[in-house]
Amino acid sequence: GDSVTQMEGPVTLSEEAFLTINCTYTATGYPSLFWYVQYPGEGLQLLLKATKADDKGSNKGFEATYRKETTSFHLEKGSVQVSDSAVYFCAPYNYGQNFVFGPGTRLSVLP
Amino acid sequence: KAGVTQTPRYLIKTRGQQVTLSCSPISGHRSVSWYQQTPGQGLQFLFEYFSETQRNKGNFPGRFSGRQFSNSRSEMNVSTLELGDSALYLCASSRSSEETQYFGPGTRLLVL
Repeated sequence: GDSVTQMEGPVTLSEEAFLTINCTYTATGYPSLFWYVQYPGEGLQLLLKATKADDKGSNKGFEATYRKETTSFHLEKGSVQVSDSAVYFCAPYNYGQNFVFGPGTRLSVLP
Repeated sequence: KAGVTQTPRYLIKTRGQQVTLSCSPISGHRSVSWYQQTPGQGLQFLFEYFSETQRNKGNFPGRFSGRQFSNSRSEMNVSTLELGDSALYLCASSRSSEETQYFGPGTRLLVL
């Protein structure tokens, strides 16, 4: 079945540091790729997505590029803020099937 | 537009009891999916309902069941609760032809 590998963390960074959270996946077909974020005590929120190879999803300063050849969708942000502290989930999705979420990466940003 | 709502937000039950959780999707969304989130297992897919029919099912025992009503609202039921059922149960909705799922805040279930 489909699966996702992502660094589990916790990742601890200082404010304004550069962030990379790696995500690689195995999936049948040609999935769309998603990053969701979960803030403390809340449900998941869509952060960004990409639907085909070489597409770049971006939102709130975060970016991720769909790399089909390496089956990866790494999340990056140039300058993190304390408010970015959360758990980040990578997920491939084939329409008509279900999301397969990675284990989540906990990010802590220190002032 | 109102988001996905889940009730109740918190629940405490004892082993052997049963529980019913409710999810109201975003207006116009016909697909509702349920997930269980635990520290040990992460996010695991339970099932998905679309137009009152179960479309996909995860690898959970038959104690976990669900249904969807004609207004797209969905309920999930867990019978004969076990300690290991303690978790955050998340509901997500999407349009029939759109992939993006929108999540509710979850129901936190504690089984004692």
